[in-house]
Formats: sequence, structure tokens, C-alpha cells
Amino acid sequence: DIQMTQSPSSLSASVGDRVTITCRASQTISGYLNWYLHKPGKAPTLLIYAASNLHSGVPSRFSGSGSGTDFSLTISSLQPEDVGTYYCQQIYSFPCTFGPGTTLDIK
Amino acid sequence: QVRLVQSGVELKKPGSSVRVSCKASGDTFSNYIVSWVRQAPGQGLEWMGRIVPVLNIPNYSQKFQGRVTITRDTSASTAYMELSGLRSEDTAVYYCATDAVTTIAYYFDYWGQGTLVTVSS
Repeated sequence: DIQMTQSPSSLSASVGDRVTITCRASQTISGYLNWYLHKPGKAPTLLIYAASNLHSGVPSRFSGSGSGTDFSLTISSLQPEDVGTYYCQQIYSFPCTFGPGTTLDIK
Repeated sequence: QVRLVQSGVELKKPGSSVRVSCKASGDTFSNYIVSWVRQAPGQGLEWMGRIVPVLNIPNYSQKFQGRVTITRDTSASTAYMELSGLRSEDTAVYYCATDAVTTIAYYFDYWGQGTLVTVSS
């Protein structure tokens, strides 16, 4: 199985800050990388698919980049509603696997 | 647009089985691949398996092979995930999700609200 790692594991930032989360795959996954936000008590929601494509309805402050093994998710200006846990997911091969998550909160 | 509604909270004894349902509305359910993902307390997301449309062929994560059965009833627009041989480590919130597949991407776009399964004696 392809292993996914994320850093940092947790992050505290101020409203308006630029925030970047990184994700690394144990082998190349081309661009088959998705990002989700999971808030407590809710279902995960898709933010970015295929590494850099913004899902419909997701604010433009979210962006993704990367290919191969190294990827990143950036929030250009952090908003209070962005708190939660962010997961990357590789879908290059099954079983698809998720990173361990990055928990983001507001300072 | 698809809305997925899952069955309610379950409390199960070790060694027993649980079946969680996922009812779809709003679009042609039979066209969708449906995956099941779980999250144990304090843990991350874990993919368990999926069922593809038309032939209703399931694919399972090796970790759950032999214990999980994913089915669908197209006429009822409902998918099911049954997990047997329950142990305390299976305590988790279980989600269904529809898989979107394009030429460049594969992702989970619509999700159910989650079903808490607690395994305890």
C-alpha cells in the first residue's frame, strides 16, 4: 500500500494568515492526490482534486500544487470557518490511502 | 447532485456483525461507485472498500478482506456495508461516499452523514 505522510500534524494560525500543509507519498502517485477538510461531527468535504483542481463551491483561497511524491495545500488568507482536520488522499492505486491529517485551529 | 443518508447508531457485542445502510436520493444511484470509509476515535480516515455499478462488483481493502461485505440494492437506491467478527478496534464512524471518476481524477464527492458503530461487551 502507498503510505502518505503530512506535516505539520497540527497548526495554529491567525485569521488572515497564509497557511501551507504538505503531503508526501511513499512512491510516485503522479497527480492523483486529493485534499479533504473534516470538521468534528460532519462528513469530510472535498477541497482539491487531482492535486490542483478546486472542487465546485470551494472558496478560491484554497489552492493545491505538486506532483509525483510531494504535494501542498495552501490557504491564502485563513478564515475562522477553515478550522478542522485536513487530509490528503492518494487515489493512484487501491487501496486508496489517506494521510494522518493536519489539525488546524485559530490562534 | 446526490444526497446520502445513512442508518443510525449501532451498539454491538464483540464477535457480532453490523450492517450499515446508505440511501441515495437526487440522482441515478445505479451509475455511481460507492465507497466506505471509516474513522476510529482519534484516528484518521481509512478506506474499506467500494462497489462498482452495473455488475455490482465489490473491491475490498486487504485489511478487511473476509470480514467486510459491500452490496447494493439498485431498486432501493441503497448501498450496504456489513462487517463481521466485530472487535473493539472496529468502534468507529463509518461513512459511505460516491466516487467521481474522470479522465484525470478520482475523488469522493458526496458523503453520507456517518454512522457511529460502538463495539463493547
